[in-house]
Amino acid sequence: QQQVKQSPQSLIVQKGGIPIINCAYENTAFDYFPWYQQFPGKGPALLIAIRPDVSEKKEGRFTISFNKSAKQFSLHIMDSQPGDSATYFCAASKGGYGNKLVFGAGTILRVKS
Amino acid sequence: GAGVSQTPSNKVTEKGKYVELRCDPISGHTALYWYRQSLGQGPEFLIYFQGTGAADDSGLPNDRFFAVRPEGSVSTLKIQRTERGDSAVYLCASSLGLAGGTQYFGPGTRLTVL
Repeated sequence: QQQVKQSPQSLIVQKGGIPIINCAYENTAFDYFPWYQQFPGKGPALLIAIRPDVSEKKEGRFTISFNKSAKQFSLHIMDSQPGDSATYFCAASKGGYGNKLVFGAGTILRVKS
Repeated sequence: GAGVSQTPSNKVTEKGKYVELRCDPISGHTALYWYRQSLGQGPEFLIYFQGTGAADDSGLPNDRFFAVRPEGSVSTLKIQRTERGDSAVYLCASSLGLAGGTQYFGPGTRLTVL
């Protein structure tokens, strides 16, 4: 059972563009929604995370938009750079102790220079 | 240490063999997680330790998989009678163990079962 659905599977944008990656979840008990960035041969690294009490969070060029009623959240990357080319994963957890993460399938982003 | 480390980085074994994968968490992190990442997929949860005890092992696929963390720091994931379907990258993550704490991932061990 896929609890977090992520789209698109891959994405190509020009340098300076704003790629948008979307995720939808099913379990209303989830209350922590992080985004991870993964480069080839490396482990995932946390980019930004949000909790459902806010609708938007910005950190540098990365913004999460959250729609609790629709059970959807998205990642926007402003002024994208070739160095942002990586695989991005959304995830969700119930928070609390032992907050095991449920990941989406990932989006391969390529930023063309 | 600076981050989560995992050894070996690559492991090639034959079907039916036993393997051990090691994880060294960030110093002071009480929570430790194992995930498995198949090609083109997101990581899937296997097991979570809080201190020395396995607090949640609901993600282990079957009884061929076992993990230990005897002193509350280093953890070893053990796979018996390996199968070709076990081939994947095995990721370890650690966190401070606080509610909602950030999980920091290691680089993973790529396991290939021939």
